[in-house]
Amino acid sequence: GDSVTQMEGPVTLSEEAFLTINCTYTATGYPSLFWYVQYPGEGLQLLLKATKADDKGSNKGFEATYRKETTSFHLEKGSVQVSDSAVYFCLSGGYQKVTFGIGTKLQVIP
Amino acid sequence: DADVTQTPRNRITKTGKRIMLECSQTKGHDRMYWYRQDPGLGLRLIYYSFDVKDINKGEISDGYSVSRQAQAKFSLSLESAIPNQTALYFCATSDNRGSGETQYFGPGTRLLVL
Repeated sequence: GDSVTQMEGPVTLSEEAFLTINCTYTATGYPSLFWYVQYPGEGLQLLLKATKADDKGSNKGFEATYRKETTSFHLEKGSVQVSDSAVYFCLSGGYQKVTFGIGTKLQVIP
Repeated sequence: DADVTQTPRNRITKTGKRIMLECSQTKGHDRMYWYRQDPGLGLRLIYYSFDVKDINKGEISDGYSVSRQAQAKFSLSLESAIPNQTALYFCATSDNRGSGETQYFGPGTRLLVL
């Protein structure tokens, strides 16, 4: 069946450090891929998405590129801030089906 | 105003009690979902509905039931709550464009079953 694999964390970084959160997927067909962010005490918010191979999603300094050859959608940010501390979820969305990763907790320290 | 709202935001109940969690949306979406979130397990799908007359079980539907009262309302019931149903519950909506649809989440309901 479909699956999404991401590290659980927590990932702890100093402010202004480079961030990478890995996400790989297995799916039937060619799903759309998403990153959602969950701030403490809140629901999930869409951060970025890509709907086909080689697409790059970007938002708020975060980027992820849909890599069909490696079935990956790694999240990156060049310089994290304390306000980026949250849980990040990678999702794979196919026809009538969405598959979640377990979420990666990011802690950014001043 | 929030597009997807959930009530209550927090609930404490006792084992064996029946409770209902409610979800409303103003996005005009046909599709609605209920998930639960547990530490280390991510989000798991309980039930989903693609329109008012359509109800489908998700991967963990046992012990739960749902009602789609209108396009904008989707309620989740725990007929007889048990402690391992303690979790954070999210409602979500999406439009009906098929593949790759974006989901929009409510703020969540934190449920504690004693």
